[in-house]
Amino acid sequence: KQEVTQIPAALSVPEGENLVLNCSFTDSAIYNLQWFRQDPGKGLTSLLLIQSSQREQTSGRLNASLDKSSGRSTLYIAASQPGDSATYLCAVPNYGGSQGNLIFGKGTKLSVKP
Amino acid sequence: EAGVAQSPRYKIIEKRQSVAFWCNPISGHATLYWYQQILGQGPKLLIQFQNNGVVDDSQLPKDRFSAERLKGVDSTLKIQPAKLEDSAVYLCASSLGSPGLTGELFFGEGSRLTVL
Repeated sequence: KQEVTQIPAALSVPEGENLVLNCSFTDSAIYNLQWFRQDPGKGLTSLLLIQSSQREQTSGRLNASLDKSSGRSTLYIAASQPGDSATYLCAVPNYGGSQGNLIFGKGTKLSVKP
Repeated sequence: EAGVAQSPRYKIIEKRQSVAFWCNPISGHATLYWYQQILGQGPKLLIQFQNNGVVDDSQLPKDRFSAERLKGVDSTLKIQPAKLEDSAVYLCASSLGSPGLTGELFFGEGSRLTVL
C-alpha cells in the first residue's frame, strides 16, 4: 500500500531564505508526482508535475526533483517571500488502485516571516 | 479557462441532517473526483468518476454518502444522515484522464462542512 510522508510538518523561515521541503513515498512504481499548494480555507493549486521519466521540473522560483529509486522528492523554493506562506502537499498516483487516484501526504505548513 | 466550480463554500448542519455539495468540472475533463480533507490531514479520495461511470468508490461510506455524475459533467455528493466526524472540507477535482496516465488534477475551492 502506497504511503506518502512529508517532513517537516511545519517550517518557519525569514524572508529571503532558500528552503527545501521533503516528500517520501513507499512504492517507487509511480507514474508521476505532483506538488500542490493550499492556502487556508482554500482548495489545492497545482504547482508542479514531474513525470516518472523526469528528474526535475522548474517553475519560477520553484524546483521539484524526483528520485524514484529512493522514493523521494524535494521541492526547492528560492528566495522565499511572505506570499509563499501556505501548506505544501505532495501526491502520487496509487499505482495499484483503479485508474490511479492520488495518495497525499499530510503536508508541510510553511510560514515565511517578513 | 474556467476552473472547477463548487458550491456551497460553507455549510453548517446538525448531526443526522442531510447535505448536498455540487461540482462542475473543467470543460472537457472526463475524470471527476471527490476528496475529503479532515483538518490537518491530506485529502482522501471518496469517489472517482470516468465520464458518468464510477471507477473507484472503495473509500466511500456508502451507508451515508452517495454521489452521482449525471450526463458525465456536473456531480453531486450527498451525506445523509451526517455525523460529527463528517466535518471536513469536501474537494472536487477533475482531470483529462486518470492521474497515472495524463497527469494533473485541478481542484476546486472546496466545500467546508461543519456538523454540530
